Amino acid sequence: DTAVSQTPKYLVTQMGNDKSIKCEQNLGHDTMYWYKQDSKKFLKIMFSYNNKELIINETVPNRFSPKSPDKAHLNLHINSLELGDSAVYFCASSHQIVGLAGARDTQYFGPGTRLTVL
Amino acid sequence: DAKTTQPNSMESNEEEPVHLPCNHSTISGTDYIHWYRQLPSQGPEYVIHGLTSNVNNRMASLAIAEDRKSSTLILHRATLRDAAVYYCILSSNRDDKIIFGKGTRLHILP
Repeated sequence: DTAVSQTPKYLVTQMGNDKSIKCEQNLGHDTMYWYKQDSKKFLKIMFSYNNKELIINETVPNRFSPKSPDKAHLNLHINSLELGDSAVYFCASSHQIVGLAGARDTQYFGPGTRLTVL
Repeated sequence: DAKTTQPNSMESNEEEPVHLPCNHSTISGTDYIHWYRQLPSQGPEYVIHGLTSNVNNRMASLAIAEDRKSSTLILHRATLRDAAVYYCILSSNRDDKIIFGKGTRLHILP
């Protein structure tokens, strides 16, 4: 059974379109994250949610809107896609958020969604 | 910015031990040292973590210096499947996130 799953695995779309990426974890974790890995392979956190509450929003354009319908899901909706949004997006989860006594926690990552904006 | 320093890349021969170094001179007393790795076209995966004592698990060993300002990830017998980018990360209860640096790209030679 996949612990953290993302759909779709690949997403190719035109500039200006709106798209969503879905993430689900079956680990019973309270915290979920979205990371972006650009073409230079830097992995940067975008958002984190703890118990459906937004904890981190790392100066991400407001075209990106995460939504957490429940603790097991964290979806990422992107409006008006731009060329620079092309990247691999990873979802992750952990028991607790770092900073809430979660420093020893392990993050579990999904397989990634490769977004290509043409 | 990442609080750790790692070599950009390393090479090792298959079936030999690999020692991946990491410097974290600004580590504080409650910071955990985590190692993740990212295989090609996959998401990062947890390898090992520790606080003060050396740690062993089925994937690797973590040797932590006595002053905690550096650590070494040890793969006891590298295989081709261990070729990946290895990230050394500090995790603190004073921050709400972990920061991935550039990591070390490990090449395994057959």
